[in-house]
Amino acid sequence: DSGVTQTPKHLITATGQRVTLRCSPRSGDLSVYWYQQSLDQGLQFLIQYYNGEERAKGNILERFSAQQFPDLHSELNLSSLELGDSALYFCASSVAWQGARNEQFFGPGTRLTVL
Amino acid sequence: GENVEQHPSTLSVQEGDSAVIKCTYSDSASNYFPWYKQELGKGPQLIIDIRSNVGEKKDQRIAVTLNKTAKHFSLHITETQPEDSAVYFCAAFNQAGTALIFGKGTTLSVSS
Repeated sequence: DSGVTQTPKHLITATGQRVTLRCSPRSGDLSVYWYQQSLDQGLQFLIQYYNGEERAKGNILERFSAQQFPDLHSELNLSSLELGDSALYFCASSVAWQGARNEQFFGPGTRLTVL
Repeated sequence: GENVEQHPSTLSVQEGDSAVIKCTYSDSASNYFPWYKQELGKGPQLIIDIRSNVGEKKDQRIAVTLNKTAKHFSLHITETQPEDSAVYFCAAFNQAGTALIFGKGTTLSVSS
């Protein structure tokens, strides 16, 4: 158990809908990362927050957004869902956002299925 | 952008044998190289990592080596056991030193 929690574990929804995925980092970690894992693209970085501020963006679609709250939990919002958005979404956390102490620990993931 | 290539994509060994997975990276500025193990239905688990100021690191049956000149690093698992069966991912930091760029993964199967 990494100490990172994610809810829900599974999510099934229809095309065009909007969903919110939630992540709580390990105690003491200030940085949160979101990754998408699909069969064809592998593990891809989406976005990073550190202490409430966005620090880095990866291959995140405009239909997706995220935020980190004062209690450091983070939410990933996915809207206008398409079939291709079906994937595993992982949250990871680390103490720092760059340099030393940036080892990333992953949560158990949310499996999103868009029908 | 940064790219990480991982080989082989599948690896089958007998229990007790050694397993080696190799990765190459493209950005010479990368300075942190973790390895993750992912079991079915679970998130990636950090098993070992190495920073660019070190050439080798060992933790019980697993070891990682880094060759910065050649820009490649490897995971070595000795005395493999059936519970080592999983997908293993190598990774390196992106140019900004923030997010991880992952290899495509190696499915390791250890048969008893």
